[in-house]
Amino acid sequence: AQSVTQPDIHITVSEGASLELRCNYSYGATPYLFWYVQSPGQGLQLLLKYFSGDTLVQGIKGFEAEFKRSQSSFNLRKPSVHWSDAAEYFCAVGDASGTYKYIFGTGTRLKVLA
Amino acid sequence: DGGITQSPKYLFRKEGQNVTLSCEQNLNHDAMYWYRQDPGQGLRLIYYSQIVNDFQKGDIAEGYSVSREKKESFPLTVTSAQKNPTAFYLCASSRGTGTYEQYFGPGTRLTVT
Repeated sequence: AQSVTQPDIHITVSEGASLELRCNYSYGATPYLFWYVQSPGQGLQLLLKYFSGDTLVQGIKGFEAEFKRSQSSFNLRKPSVHWSDAAEYFCAVGDASGTYKYIFGTGTRLKVLA
Repeated sequence: DGGITQSPKYLFRKEGQNVTLSCEQNLNHDAMYWYRQDPGQGLRLIYYSQIVNDFQKGDIAEGYSVSREKKESFPLTVTSAQKNPTAFYLCASSRGTGTYEQYFGPGTRLTVT
């Protein structure tokens, strides 16, 4: 069965430091992969997506993610974190087997220290 | 501005009452989705609809019902059969099924006491 694992429930970084949020998936075929960000009490905003092609994808707000098939990973990175990046981040895999549902990870909550 | 609206933002109900959450989109998207979010559990799919007058159960459909009479509207009813209805509910839409990304509304926080 498909699954998405975000191993880190909470991450704390200092402002200006680099960031990497981990996402591992289990899926038989080439997955459709997404990263979303959610501020408290708000909906989710799409940061970036991977469908095919270049394995390094650029997103909004200076985020990027790299698809590594051999490691079944799609980690999110940002070179320099801003205080406004504090939020919860969700990785999701799209089901292309016919239902086109998403499977979401449980999220990683990012705290940014001034 | 195109987008997804959910109303109300906060909703309070007594146990035993049915309640309907509204979701409207003006993105001309074919597919719409309802998710439930609980702390530490990510998002779980309740129902989804790929076209008007058709919808399918998601992973946690028990105690919920939906309708899709219009392309732009996908209301969710939380019935009294839902054992633990207090949660944050998110509606989403996408251009179609397949690779198309989902866009989310601002959510409705339902509290049942």
